[in-house]
Amino acid sequence: NAGVTQTPKFRVLKTGQSMTLLCAQDMNHEYMYWYRQDPGMGLRLIHYSVGEGTTAKGEVPDGYNVSRLKKQNFLLGLESAAPSQTSVYFCASSHRLAGLYEQYFGPGTRLTVT
Amino acid sequence: RKEVEQDPGPFNVPEGATVAFNCTYSNSASQSFFWYRQDCRKEPKLLMSVYSSGNEDGRFTAQLNRASQYISLLIRDSKLSDSATYLCVVTSGNTPLVFGKGTRLSVIA
Repeated sequence: NAGVTQTPKFRVLKTGQSMTLLCAQDMNHEYMYWYRQDPGMGLRLIHYSVGEGTTAKGEVPDGYNVSRLKKQNFLLGLESAAPSQTSVYFCASSHRLAGLYEQYFGPGTRLTVT
Repeated sequence: RKEVEQDPGPFNVPEGATVAFNCTYSNSASQSFFWYRQDCRKEPKLLMSVYSSGNEDGRFTAQLNRASQYISLLIRDSKLSDSATYLCVVTSGNTPLVFGKGTRLSVIA
């Protein structure tokens, strides 16, 4: 099993450009998440999904949109990138929302917005 | 007050030392607690869950103090390979995990 994979691994965008980050998991997990991690800020939840066709806002959703059309995929979109969105983006998945269920992370996408 | 607070460190310790990290949480409804480990430029991975009675996994011991709302991680006989950032994680049970900012550990030869 590949676990959680993310595409692309690195990307440089100019301000105002758009892009979509793809997350895929092959563990049949119901729950999927998008985080961003910045120095000194820790992991912050952007959006999450509790199942196919559903999404919910996390702590820092502004400037991002998400879609979960298929159970195994969770897409994160930036419609008009800003330098403040320069960050490392991690996708994760789990069987349950919380409780004693491990959350598995992808390897991350390093995004720079100039 | 932040939901989950950790001393950012860095903790610089010699090989073989014992080191302990504490983490405090603000939500008294928190039900589940974890320690995750994150290596430099890598994704976080679950190190261990934290049970009410405390639990041990090899050189690692985790404890929970609900009255004072803190959890701790003790690492005995530190190895060079223990160098990483340790993330404290809590959840109330029906909400996504809340991650602390992490405590950085450097084990020195």
